[in-house]
Amino acid sequence: DVKVTQSSRYLVKRTGEKVFLECVQDMDHENMFWYRQDPGLGLRLIYFSYDVKMKEKGDIPEGYSVSREKKERFSLILESASTNQTSMYLCASSLIGTGTDTQYFGPGTRLTVL
Amino acid sequence: AQTVTQSQPEMSVQEAETVTLSCTYDTSESNYYLFWYKQPPSRQMILVIRQEAYKQQNATENRFSVNFQKAAKSFSLKISDSQLGDTAMYFCAFSKKNRDDKIIFGKGTRLHILP
Repeated sequence: DVKVTQSSRYLVKRTGEKVFLECVQDMDHENMFWYRQDPGLGLRLIYFSYDVKMKEKGDIPEGYSVSREKKERFSLILESASTNQTSMYLCASSLIGTGTDTQYFGPGTRLTVL
Repeated sequence: AQTVTQSQPEMSVQEAETVTLSCTYDTSESNYYLFWYKQPPSRQMILVIRQEAYKQQNATENRFSVNFQKAAKSFSLKISDSQLGDTAMYFCAFSKKNRDDKIIFGKGTRLHILP
């Protein structure tokens, strides 16, 4: 089974702190994604990566950056956390070239910024 | 740009009943994928069912089936013999068949199965 893990289930940070959210997948997937999930807004794509060291902006990249130094790991960085970044963050991965396009999700990190 | 619309923010049905969740989408693509994802309370999001646009036959996975109407750009999910474990948020999603696999999600339908 595909496994996508995220470094923390719950995280509390203060305004202005630098925050790292880590995501690891164990199935050699090429594509990785970061979403945030807010009530009434569904899932919104922050950034995605289709290869090591490659990244593409999603729909809401402002205030975030990402890093993908290794194929299995995709990090989301909040350079200076703000209260409006309090949210649930979901990581996902998908395999390229199979035609399935299914995304596999991690358990999520609920981030609270005080 | 592609959009996905779920018109039912929340639904409740009795256990063992059949329930249909609605989804419409807008695209100019001719070939694409459509998905239904399920997110149980405090649990991981998982794929329920997937449909390829060029396949006319509706996808089925056990008690879950879809009604795919390509011309109408409609993709509804039917859950037969609903169970308490079906209680979840359900997201309809769309993906073009290109390299980046970016998926566009609807805003979700919260489904409650009542005992």
